[in-house]
Amino acid sequence: GAVVSQHPSWVICKSGTSVKIECRSLDFQATTMFWYRQFPKQSLMLMATSNEGSKATYEQGVEKDKFLINHASLTLSTLTVTSAHPEDSSFYICSAQKRDEQYFGPGTRLTVT
Amino acid sequence: RKEVEQDPGPFNVPEGATVAFNCTYSNSASQSFFWYRQDCRKEPKLLMSVYSSGNEDGRFTAQLNRASQYISLLIRDSKLSDSATYLCVLLYNQGGKLIFGQGTELSVKP
Repeated sequence: GAVVSQHPSWVICKSGTSVKIECRSLDFQATTMFWYRQFPKQSLMLMATSNEGSKATYEQGVEKDKFLINHASLTLSTLTVTSAHPEDSSFYICSAQKRDEQYFGPGTRLTVT
Repeated sequence: RKEVEQDPGPFNVPEGATVAFNCTYSNSASQSFFWYRQDCRKEPKLLMSVYSSGNEDGRFTAQLNRASQYISLLIRDSKLSDSATYLCVLLYNQGGKLIFGQGTELSVKP
């Protein structure tokens, strides 16, 4: 199998606070994980590629100081949204690569009030 | 121009209908192609890969035309459970990046 979990599944936070989202590959090791963001009625947009043991690669337009990614082990990557604002409210989805396929986590719905 | 463009939706069809989704892509260097399905508030799930020779999986048929940079998905005998958003997805082999289309929503009615 290839199961990916995310935690939390949903979170509500106040503007200005930071939120950490975890992505875990439960039954395989993933040297590469990806973080996506999806706004309502829009497609998934790749935010960054997370590589175990090295710095993440961010897509153009994504602030690396605002979206901190840590891939400290072969089964865990975290995304921290720092100083969250209402415009950061979105559906955040991670995926983990196993051989040639990406397996998606169930997503985290973030609402910033 | 967007890297991946899909038919605007939504498509509302009766059960048993045949429905076709179209997708075009702009980067000829794209190597691999997929159709994903996404249910409301859920993660996308791989429906099928798309090969140049065309491929079929039960009621689903996918076609790829590299010369026209065009991908299609045909669903025959549609079921209520087919209601979802269908995403056309490209893989850039370099770096393993997936590029998603905006999705086409399908609603199958009884």
